[in-house]
Amino acid sequence: NAGVMQNPRHLVRRRGQEARLRCSPMKGHSHVYWYRQLPEEGLKFMVYLQKENIIDESGMPKERFSAEFPKEGPSILRIQQVVRGDSAAYFCASSVGQGAEAFFGQGTRLTVV
Amino acid sequence: GNSVTQMEGPVTLSEEAFLTINCTYTATGYPSLFWYVQYPGEGLQLLLKATKADDKGSNKGFEATYRKETTSFHLEKGSVQVSDSAVYFCALSDSQGAQKLVFGQGTRLTINP
Repeated sequence: NAGVMQNPRHLVRRRGQEARLRCSPMKGHSHVYWYRQLPEEGLKFMVYLQKENIIDESGMPKERFSAEFPKEGPSILRIQQVVRGDSAAYFCASSVGQGAEAFFGQGTRLTVV
Repeated sequence: GNSVTQMEGPVTLSEEAFLTINCTYTATGYPSLFWYVQYPGEGLQLLLKATKADDKGSNKGFEATYRKETTSFHLEKGSVQVSDSAVYFCALSDSQGAQKLVFGQGTRLTINP
């Protein structure tokens, strides 16, 4: 029973490049959540997705950030034209359904240089 | 909007000491409350939860009681171990599950032998 798998664990990008973060939910889970953790802060909700649908993106920055969860394959969080302020740990969580317990992955630590 | 406030860290204790980490919240309605633990280099793990007033969540010797009158969910453990060293996050959700969690800023706990 694999848990929530995120890759890569560490990602270094230069300013202006694109960052792609992947999240494979637990088997049987069709709901995915992305959170961002800035240094020395708590996690902040970004987006909630079901297969092929964005349910709640109220925490997503209006520009440069996008997320998808296709019918097949992992969920992807994409950050275009990264800036230093995007450096953070990005965590994905998955659940079997709305209102069910969410399980977290180990996170992707993005460093923008 | 909903918010969570935790006691500031870091907290350093000796092994077998009594632990309290304070958490208070602001929310409309009747949120569910959670404590998550993050060990170094890992993702968040659910430690315990409570879904209604006066419920007590417990796990691994940790306890927290949902106090609606004081809007609090303080984490306690009678005798801490070195292995309890981690960052602890208090969180709330406006549903019984863990959808769209609102986190406190985290409290770093270090236990010395």
